[in-house]
Amino acid sequence: SQQGEEDPQALSIQEGENATMNCSYKTSINNLQWYRQNSGRGLVHLILIRSNEREKHSGRLRVTLDTSKKSSSLLITASRAADTASYFCATDPNTGRRALTFGSGTRLQVQP
Amino acid sequence: KAGVTQTPRYLIKTRGQQVTLSCSPISGHRSVSWYQQTPGQGLQFLFEYFSETQRNKGNFPGRFSGRQFSNSRSEMNVSTLELGDSALYLCASSFGERNTEAFFGQGTRLTVV
Repeated sequence: SQQGEEDPQALSIQEGENATMNCSYKTSINNLQWYRQNSGRGLVHLILIRSNEREKHSGRLRVTLDTSKKSSSLLITASRAADTASYFCATDPNTGRRALTFGSGTRLQVQP
Repeated sequence: KAGVTQTPRYLIKTRGQQVTLSCSPISGHRSVSWYQQTPGQGLQFLFEYFSETQRNKGNFPGRFSGRQFSNSRSEMNVSTLELGDSALYLCASSFGERNTEAFFGQGTRLTVV
């Protein structure tokens, strides 16, 4: 079963706009990781945020984590057509198990 | 540095057969985990190996098994294939310690007919 849900399930924006995706989860975590997946291909690691961090940046990506609300958001600024993909959050639970639990993903479409 | 390599990329099998998928992790990574991705169930954890030992197993039947070799390469095996086993199987490699990133291969697309 999946740990959390992502919101929205699908998002369509114009090039240059910002895209925000949200992820909620259920149990306590060590860290949360965001991935991108182009159609039918492998997952590309974007960013990892630890449970004691609140915000992290990487290039055009900004990730926030609110452990009290068990939620995270991924912001992609100045989006490009090449950003079109599915985005997943994955939690590394604080249970001693070394297993990522994935959300259902957000399908992002960036119109040129 | 080479990424995670999965072979084969595509596979078509018949119901009842068995299949073996291979994963070579990033050099120096000791943890290999496997995931199944289907349209209906999304991404689900199968199992994780670290230094040739299975550390964790997801909620899959015993037909799904795996192993890890001394060079950290891993294989997963599915016996008595069912139509529902059709999926993208993804392997992830990480250093293995807490709070380290997991890097994924391109996956093996298995189709059971």
